[in-house]
Amino acid sequence: SQKIEQNSEALNIQEGKTATLTCNYTNYSPAYLQWYRQDPGRGPVFLLLIRENEKEKRKERLKVTFDTTLKQSLFHITASQPADSATYLCALDISGNQFYFGTGTSLTVIP
Amino acid sequence: NAGVTQTPKFQVLKTGQSMTLQCAQDMNHNSMYWYRQDPGMGLRLIYYSASEGTTDKGEVPNGYNVSRLNKREFSLRLESAAPSQTSVYFCASSDRQGTDTQYFGPGTRLTVL
Repeated sequence: SQKIEQNSEALNIQEGKTATLTCNYTNYSPAYLQWYRQDPGRGPVFLLLIRENEKEKRKERLKVTFDTTLKQSLFHITASQPADSATYLCALDISGNQFYFGTGTSLTVIP
Repeated sequence: NAGVTQTPKFQVLKTGQSMTLQCAQDMNHNSMYWYRQDPGMGLRLIYYSASEGTTDKGEVPNGYNVSRLNKREFSLRLESAAPSQTSVYFCASSDRQGTDTQYFGPGTRLTVL
């Protein structure tokens, strides 16, 4: 069965540092992978999509990499700020109509 | 634009009761989805609708039914609620068949006693 693992449930970093979140998957070869942000009591909000033929995608302070050989995606937030504190979810395209979501990593940026 | 709206925001049911969760989107999206989110389990797909008039089962469909009433609305029905259905339910929509971003509603927090 499909399994998606996101690194440690909680990650604490100092303001200004780079946060790196990991998404590992098994048993599937997704055409693309997405990252979402979720704040407490709210629905997830889309951040970035990276396709299988792309190694890296950037958006402002965010960077996502996708290694289909390792079956891993890394999500980086550079110059982190307290406002970046949230839960971050990765999601894999399964069939074009279905996604599997990871359980998420809770990020806390300490001032 | 309101985006994706869900009603109600909170609901408490007794075991065996039925209810319908409502979802509507005003972005003219073809695809709509229902997820449940439980601690330690992440978001799991219950049902989805790739286009008006079609629905398909997701990862955890047992105990649920859906209706794609029109292009805007996609409802989720619990016929006989069970405590295992206590969860937060999210509706989402996207403008292509799963190849585009999903826009989520604010969620419905359901407790079944």
